[in-house]
Amino acid sequence: QQQVKQSPQSLIVQKGGISIINCAYENTAFDYFPWYQQFPGKGPALLIAIRPDVSEKKEGRFTISFNKSAKQFSLHIMDSQPGDSATYFCAASKTSGSRLTFGEGTQLTVNP
Amino acid sequence: DTGVSQNPRHKITKRGQNVTFRCDPISEHNRLYWYRQTLGQGPEFLTYFQNEAQLEKSRLLSDRFSAERPKGSFSTLEIQRTEQGDSAMYLCASSRPAAVNTEAFFGQGTRLTVV
Repeated sequence: QQQVKQSPQSLIVQKGGISIINCAYENTAFDYFPWYQQFPGKGPALLIAIRPDVSEKKEGRFTISFNKSAKQFSLHIMDSQPGDSATYFCAASKTSGSRLTFGEGTQLTVNP
Repeated sequence: DTGVSQNPRHKITKRGQNVTFRCDPISEHNRLYWYRQTLGQGPEFLTYFQNEAQLEKSRLLSDRFSAERPKGSFSTLEIQRTEQGDSAMYLCASSRPAAVNTEAFFGQGTRLTVV
């Protein structure tokens, strides 16, 4: 059972544009929602994370929007740059739990 | 470098051989996780340690897989009688106690190729 669904599978945007990646979860016990960025041959690196007590969190060009009632959250990358080209994973976990459940990933390409 | 360290970075082995990977977590992190990632997929949870205790194992972790974390420091993941389906990136992550912060930091992984 896929508990975290991510879309789109791939995304191409122009430099300076906005990249939007969406995730939906099923388990209402999840209360921690991070986004990871992964470059080829590297491990995932934490980008930004949110807890359900807030609806939005912004760090630099990266913003998470969270909709608890819809069980959805999204990553917005403003002013996308070619260096942002990577695979992005959403994830979810229980604060007191032991594991992260990842989405399938979105391969982002930012064209110059 | 004080991040999560994994060795080796790459391993090519023949089917049926045993392999062992090592993970050194961030020093103050008492939680250690192993994940497996196949091409084009997100990481999948395998197992988790809190200090030296293995607290959870995924059903993905067959009897051929075993993980240890002696003395709550580094961890090893052994795969016995490797199969071609074991080819994947094996990722280790560590985090502080859940009551403090659940942010998990990943190593660069060990890429296993079974030929």
